[in-house]
Amino acid sequence: AQSVTQPDIHITVSEGASLELRCNYSYGATPYLFWYVQSPGQGLQLLLKYFSGDTLVQGIKGFEAEFKRSQSSFNLRKPSVHWSDAAEYFCAVGATGANNLFFGTGTRLTVIP
Amino acid sequence: DAGITQSPRHKVTETGTPVTLRCHQTENHRYMYWYRQDPGHGLRLIHYSYGVKDTDKGEVSDGYSVSRSKTEDFLLTLESATSSQTSVYFCAISASGPNNEQFFGPGTRLTVL
Repeated sequence: AQSVTQPDIHITVSEGASLELRCNYSYGATPYLFWYVQSPGQGLQLLLKYFSGDTLVQGIKGFEAEFKRSQSSFNLRKPSVHWSDAAEYFCAVGATGANNLFFGTGTRLTVIP
Repeated sequence: DAGITQSPRHKVTETGTPVTLRCHQTENHRYMYWYRQDPGHGLRLIHYSYGVKDTDKGEVSDGYSVSRSKTEDFLLTLESATSSQTSVYFCAISASGPNNEQFFGPGTRLTVL
């Protein structure tokens, strides 16, 4: 069965610093991978997605993620964090024939001035 | 933003009472989903629909039922609410199948006393 692990519950970074949020998945075939962001009191917004092809995908708000099959990872990165990036980030995985997306438990990002 | 609304946005109810949450979309998307979000669990699928009158169970469907009589509306019913159903409920829609990106509504915060 598919599963997603986000090992970091909470990360704090300084504004302007680089960011990497980790995501590991478990699935036998090529997965469909997503990163979502959730601001307090809001729904989830799609940041980026990977279905196939180039393993480095670009998303909105300056985010990117890299699919590494050998490590079963899909880490989210941003070179310079802005205070408005403070939010909770969710990684999700889907697969052909599955009924739904499986979400990780989320990583809460705090940005300090 | 995808045209998804949820009503009510907040509700407080008592144990044993029935509760219905509504999700309404204006995108004419085929797939609709109900998730619940709880700390430490991320998002978990309750039920989903792949067309009018076509629904199926998700990971945490016990105690919940759904109905979809029109493309645009997907109702989630708690027949007899329990305190364990206190959560934030999100509706999501997808145009092209469960493995493609989903767009989320703003959520409904339900408290069962």
